[in-house]
Amino acid sequence: QKEVEQNSGPLSVPEGAIASLNCTYSDRGSQSFFWYRQYSGKSPELIMFIYSNGDKEDGRFTAQLNKASQYVSLLIRDSQPSDSATYLCAVISSGGSYIPTFGRGTSLIVHP
Amino acid sequence: DAGVIQSPRHEVTEMGQEVTLRCKPISGHNSLFWYRQTMMRGLELLIYFNNNVPIDDSGMPEDRFSAKMPNASFSTLKIQPSEPRDSAVYFCASTIWGSRGRLNTEAFFGQGTRLTVV
Repeated sequence: QKEVEQNSGPLSVPEGAIASLNCTYSDRGSQSFFWYRQYSGKSPELIMFIYSNGDKEDGRFTAQLNKASQYVSLLIRDSQPSDSATYLCAVISSGGSYIPTFGRGTSLIVHP
Repeated sequence: DAGVIQSPRHEVTEMGQEVTLRCKPISGHNSLFWYRQTMMRGLELLIYFNNNVPIDDSGMPEDRFSAKMPNASFSTLKIQPSEPRDSAVYFCASTIWGSRGRLNTEAFFGQGTRLTVV
């Protein structure tokens, strides 16, 4: 069973702070890693993807991947109340099926 | 493009009734996923189609669930008979398998169908 684990939270941070969201995965052969944001009552939408070790930055968002330790993280700088949502980590594993497996998500609350 | 379209948005039905959920993927996408989301289990893959062919249905909970994709622009997920434990949000997602290299397979989600079985 290929597992993707996330702390359910909620993670509460003050406006302007850095929010750090973490995800671990069990399949060492995993290839691609995605962060989706899901607002309450809405569908998931892609924020970032990463497939190489290291950091990938896009605006206020930075994805970090460490394949040796099997974790991927998402940093949100200058957090805003509008960032309050559930963040889902998704992993495409080895085996050729290319089906994204999702974690249960971490709830983020950014308070003014 | 209007994105992935699901219907109905909400469905309330009585236990034992048949429920049919519908999905229209994004035009040109060749892969379609049905997911179920609950607080307890998160987002679970039910079934995956590629070029209208079911590739992996290992996530379908039991024989009460069935899914079809008769053509590239339409898919259904049917539950017969429905049970209260089937209550969840059901998402359909589509993607192009192989776009920008297979490593970057972004799934585009519909707005979901919230199913309540009473």
